[in-house]
Amino acid sequence: DIQMTQSPSSLSASVGDRVTITCRASQSISRYLNWYQQRSGKAPKLLIYGTSSLQSGVPSRFSGSESGTDFTLTISSLQPEDFATYFCQQSYTTPYTFGQGTKLEL
Amino acid sequence: QVQLVESGGGVVQPGRSLRLSCAASGFTFSSYGMNWVRQAPGKGLEWVAVISYDGINKYYAGSVKGRFTISRDISRNTLDLQMDSLRPEDTAVYFCARAPDWGVFDSWGQGALVIVSS
Repeated sequence: DIQMTQSPSSLSASVGDRVTITCRASQSISRYLNWYQQRSGKAPKLLIYGTSSLQSGVPSRFSGSESGTDFTLTISSLQPEDFATYFCQQSYTTPYTFGQGTKLEL
Repeated sequence: QVQLVESGGGVVQPGRSLRLSCAASGFTFSSYGMNWVRQAPGKGLEWVAVISYDGINKYYAGSVKGRFTISRDISRNTLDLQMDSLRPEDTAVYFCARAPDWGVFDSWGQGALVIVSS
């Protein structure tokens, strides 16, 4: 199975900050990397698919990029509603696997 | 709008069975692959199973293979997950998720809680 390693596991930030979350795959997954946001007690929400494509309705302050097997989610200017947990996930092959999550806290 | 509503969760003893359903509306159900993803209490996300848009191809996580069966009923717009030989480690919230592309989950239900305990 492909292992997805996310860092950091938690992150303290303030409104207006620029934040970066990193995800590393244990092998090449091409650009089959997706990012989800999960607010407490809610279902996950797709933010970014295919490394850098913004899902419809997601604010443009969210962006994704990659360098080799490392992938990055960037939030350019944190808003109060962005404090949540973020997961990366590879869709290169089954079993689809997720990172362990990054909890973004105020 | 897209709506996915899970049902069938509950408390079940180890070794017993449970069947989850997901009612889909607001989109052409027969055009999308569908998945089950679970989340143990306080833990991360774990993909469980996928079924192709036509119901022909099915894939499972190793942890559930041989015990869980995914199926879909196009006439009722429902996705099912038959869970047999349940174990305590299967305790989780189970989400159904729509996939416009293999492995990309663009819409999720609210989840159904399954507790496996004696």
